[in-house]
Amino acid sequence: EDQVTQSPEALRLQEGESSSLNCSYTVSGLRGLFWYRQDPGKGPEFLFTLYSAGEEKEKERLKATLTKKESFLHITAPKPEDSATYLCAVDGTYKYIFGTGTRLKVLA
Amino acid sequence: EAQVTQNPRYLITVTGKKLTVTCSQNMNHEYMSWYRQDPGLGLRQIYYSMNVEVTDKGDVPEGYKVSRKEKRNFPLILESPSPNQTSLYFCASSPLGDSSYEQYFGPGTRLTVT
Repeated sequence: EDQVTQSPEALRLQEGESSSLNCSYTVSGLRGLFWYRQDPGKGPEFLFTLYSAGEEKEKERLKATLTKKESFLHITAPKPEDSATYLCAVDGTYKYIFGTGTRLKVLA
Repeated sequence: EAQVTQNPRYLITVTGKKLTVTCSQNMNHEYMSWYRQDPGLGLRQIYYSMNVEVTDKGDVPEGYKVSRKEKRNFPLILESPSPNQTSLYFCASSPLGDSSYEQYFGPGTRLTVT
């Protein structure tokens, strides 16, 4: 059964304190792994797509990496505006499975 | 502006009263999908469509219907809503392809069934 597990469920960081979010997945035939950011009451906003193990992508303070079993979202020197829920999703065969997300709070 | 729109944004209804939530996208995307989001359960896919007249079940299709008569529209139909369908619903669209096919999400519809 396809499955996505994210950890931790919640994370509090001081501004400037770097950390990583984890996304473990099991899927038969990965077409892509996605990271989204979701602010309260809004729809998810796309961050990255990763297609194969070893791939890395960066955007401002965020860097996503992918192995055969998990993905990491590294946040370097976060700012309060990075506070949000970060969602991981996999596309097996056009069916999407989302994790339950990591709620990130960055304190000034 | 490229966007996915949903209507209504908020809806309170009673058990058994049929309702439709509309979804429209202006990006000429082939793929469209409906999700529900519940606390502790995350986003779960209800139905998806890969093109006009082509729809398929996601993980939680029971109690829902969809149709795709036009490429831009993908309405979600609850023929006999029940309280367990109270949730936050999102529509999404994306191009079909091997690269850069991230989903664009609508703003959400908060449904309460009493």
